[in-house]
Amino acid sequence: NAGVTQTPKFRVLKTGQSMTLLCAQDMNHEYMYWYRQDPGMGLRLIHYSVGEGTTAKGEVPDGYNVSRLKKQNFLLGLESAAPSQTSVYFCASSSGRNTEAFFGQGTRLTVV
Amino acid sequence: KQEVTQIPAALSVPEGENLVLNCSFTDSAIYNLQWFRQDPGKGLTSLLLIQSSQREQTSGRLNASLDKSSGRSTLYIAASQPGDSATYLCAGRQLSGGYNKLIFGAGTRLAVHP
Repeated sequence: NAGVTQTPKFRVLKTGQSMTLLCAQDMNHEYMYWYRQDPGMGLRLIHYSVGEGTTAKGEVPDGYNVSRLKKQNFLLGLESAAPSQTSVYFCASSSGRNTEAFFGQGTRLTVV
Repeated sequence: KQEVTQIPAALSVPEGENLVLNCSFTDSAIYNLQWFRQDPGKGLTSLLLIQSSQREQTSGRLNASLDKSSGRSTLYIAASQPGDSATYLCAGRQLSGGYNKLIFGAGTRLAVHP
């Protein structure tokens, strides 16, 4: 019962470096999401996807790009990391627009 | 703009007590409300999902209710155990800014001591 798996779990980047966070789900869900969680700000939606080959912006998309080349994978990219992107990133998936959302274990990213 | 508030922010109780965690939202136009549990340094575990047409959902010792008209949801935990210690988050799903999203409360941090 893997559910939603995120890779890596921890990462430290220097300002200006790039990286990609991988999210994989084995539940055949159409919808996938990337959130960030910050103290005092709660969870905020970065980008989401409503199916393979589709992506859309959430409420805090600046500085991030995403791709959904395969239904089971949703990638989050940081082209030029900034200290403001230090956060815990969560991936989630759901079978439909208004169905139960399932979350991964998170990636703790620190940008120095 | 939807705002989700959870009260109390923190709660410490002895083992065995029955608990009520509160979640209120300002905009009743939600599709559903979901309760999550988050352990320190971990991800979110889905506990219960209540669709807007439902009044409550139950799973084991957990019972969640939803009153859209008053903008409230409660999570009832019966016979609390130390293993219930975690942060509990509620999230309302609604159409906002042109897309469908979960709007989270800040959470209630629960500590159950033996």
